[in-house]
Amino acid sequence: GAVVSQHPSWVICKSGTSVKIECRSLDFQATTMFWYRQFPKQSLMLMATSNEGSKATYEQGVEKDKFLINHASLTLSTLTVTSAHPEDSSFYICSARERSSGRPSTDTQYFGPGTRLTVL
Amino acid sequence: SQQGEEDPQALSIQEGENATMNCSYKTSINNLQWYRQNSGRGLVHLILIRSNEREKHSGRLRVTLDTSKKSSSLLITASRAADTASYFCATAPFNNNDMRFGAGTRLTVKP
Repeated sequence: GAVVSQHPSWVICKSGTSVKIECRSLDFQATTMFWYRQFPKQSLMLMATSNEGSKATYEQGVEKDKFLINHASLTLSTLTVTSAHPEDSSFYICSARERSSGRPSTDTQYFGPGTRLTVL
Repeated sequence: SQQGEEDPQALSIQEGENATMNCSYKTSINNLQWYRQNSGRGLVHLILIRSNEREKHSGRLRVTLDTSKKSSSLLITASRAADTASYFCATAPFNNNDMRFGAGTRLTVKP
């Protein structure tokens, strides 16, 4: 099956620093990638939808200047948490939807393993 | 924002018993998917059911979908301790494939 990787798997940083998280689709092209955030014992909340080559669409309440998303290629999207604060500590998960290429299109999104961010 | 709700929020059963989790949603959907998440880990896709389907099976999993009631259920038969995890439903609306997750059910299967 399709594989999505995230890097790093966990990161600890000081308050005020910026952290970049990478999401890669390893064996397929992803026209659309999604970024979710999950606080402990809660569900996944969609933060933004990222389309290759265009600006990301952010969900209401998500600061686009704080959570910078770049989707420069069909296999890579990055999320940068700028000037991170302790309240940004969370589990960040990306997912990718495969580009239809003549094969039966899939409605399944493939999820990365997540990145745990801890801001001290 | 989240799409739906799941119940129960937590479920504890003995190994061998069946576990049933329910999911309700609010808007029209293209499909509904169930995922599993072990503590602190990523999501594992379990099963997808389309809006024109009523029931699907995969191994010990059985999923039903009632679009008139905007609800779905996940049944795990003959549960095992290894089934202990959180289970989430997620809906994908028409013309907009970003998924919305339910609150999840934390399942504990006691050996």
